[in-house]
Amino acid sequence: GESVGLHLPTLSVQEGDNSIINCAYSNSASDYFIWYKQESGKGPQFIIDIRSNMDKRQGQRVTVLLNKTVKHLSLQIAATQPGDSAVYFCAENWTSQGNLIFGKGTKLSVKP
Amino acid sequence: SQTIHQWPATLVQPVGSPLSLECTVEGTSNPNLYWYRQAAGRGLQLLFYSVGIGQISSEVPQNLSASRPQDRQFILSSKKLLLSDSGFYLCAWSTGVQETQYFGPGTRLLVL
Repeated sequence: GESVGLHLPTLSVQEGDNSIINCAYSNSASDYFIWYKQESGKGPQFIIDIRSNMDKRQGQRVTVLLNKTVKHLSLQIAATQPGDSAVYFCAENWTSQGNLIFGKGTKLSVKP
Repeated sequence: SQTIHQWPATLVQPVGSPLSLECTVEGTSNPNLYWYRQAAGRGLQLLFYSVGIGQISSEVPQNLSASRPQDRQFILSSKKLLLSDSGFYLCAWSTGVQETQYFGPGTRLLVL
């Protein structure tokens, strides 16, 4: 079965607010994590990644936090915009696994 | 820069007919290539991956097969489609097994 899961399948936020999307993983050996954004009818788009030697990484309006103690990953989107509406997937990888393991996804809806 | 193409974008096929979906990557050499299937509202299921020409690994038993006739070409095929083969098929590439995967635009397949 999948080892990566999401706490909330849907998330609705007001435009301009910050969004937090959560992801739990079960394999303590996981050492590489990626967040993807998938708009309706399109392929997933890479947003940001983080390796296990870090606990925080920032991009443009996005921050990924990694808590290895509780095996938790989160994606924070600052000043959420209507264009951020999409399904967000987390994915994990560990050295002996080779390929990415994807979670089921969280749908983010931004209300104007 | 690297780009990944998939075609066709959409396809409607009768049950029992053959299938051929194509994926090509530009701007990189010897990429790892992947085929995923995504059912409506679901996560990504890895079907096949390839680390080189003629090298195919299958992740799940199924009615589909994959081939890699050229370095940057990955083909997904079936001799006889089933209703359960309907879905959104995504091709992806990466520079290595524990690196970011970049996805193509996808092919939506409907088997009737």
